[in-house]
Amino acid sequence: GAVVSQHPSWVICKSGTSVKIECRSLDFQATTMFWYRQFPKQSLMLMATSNEGSKATYEQGVEKDKFLINHASLTLSTLTVTSAHPEDSSFYICSARPRENMNTEAFFGQGTRLTVV
Amino acid sequence: AQSVTQLGSHVSVSEGALVLLRCNYSSSVPPYLFWYVQYPNQGLQLLLKYTSAATLVKGINGFEAEFKKSETSFHLTKPSAHMSDAAEYFCAVSADTGRRALTFGSGTRLQVQP
Repeated sequence: GAVVSQHPSWVICKSGTSVKIECRSLDFQATTMFWYRQFPKQSLMLMATSNEGSKATYEQGVEKDKFLINHASLTLSTLTVTSAHPEDSSFYICSARPRENMNTEAFFGQGTRLTVV
Repeated sequence: AQSVTQLGSHVSVSEGALVLLRCNYSSSVPPYLFWYVQYPNQGLQLLLKYTSAATLVKGINGFEAEFKKSETSFHLTKPSAHMSDAAEYFCAVSADTGRRALTFGSGTRLQVQP
């Protein structure tokens, strides 16, 4: 089956620093990847759609200068949380759908737990 | 526009009892519907999906769901709960066109009592 890998699984950083989270599709190519954020005991909220070779599309209320997304290849998207603050602490999950079959479900990474201290 | 409503943030059943997790959707276009399960500090695992084929969908781990257009529902069921079913369950909807990002419901935490 299709596998999406996120790295790191968890990270602790100091306020004011930046953190990069990687999302890789291991055995398929993904033109589009999605980044979600999940607060404790809450649902997943779509942050942005990552498009290979072009700018990401951000959801309303998501600061694009705060959450930098780069989709440099068909198998890799990165989310960089810039100048992180404690309120950015959350669980971040990416998903990807195989380029050759847009009718399949999206495959999710295992998530990244970010804690900003 | 699309949305999902999951009735009941917490559901508790006894081991061996029927599991019923409710999901109602709203979509301006024909929807794709999904149920995912999430264990603590992990990503999401697909249980099953509806993509306009059979209305009764069978998934993994004995789960199934029925798409009812007239009721705009896609409830998840399992005849007999197992302790390992305790987890958070999310219903999600996506349009069958466009970028197809998922819109998730608020989730239902399933507890299974021995």
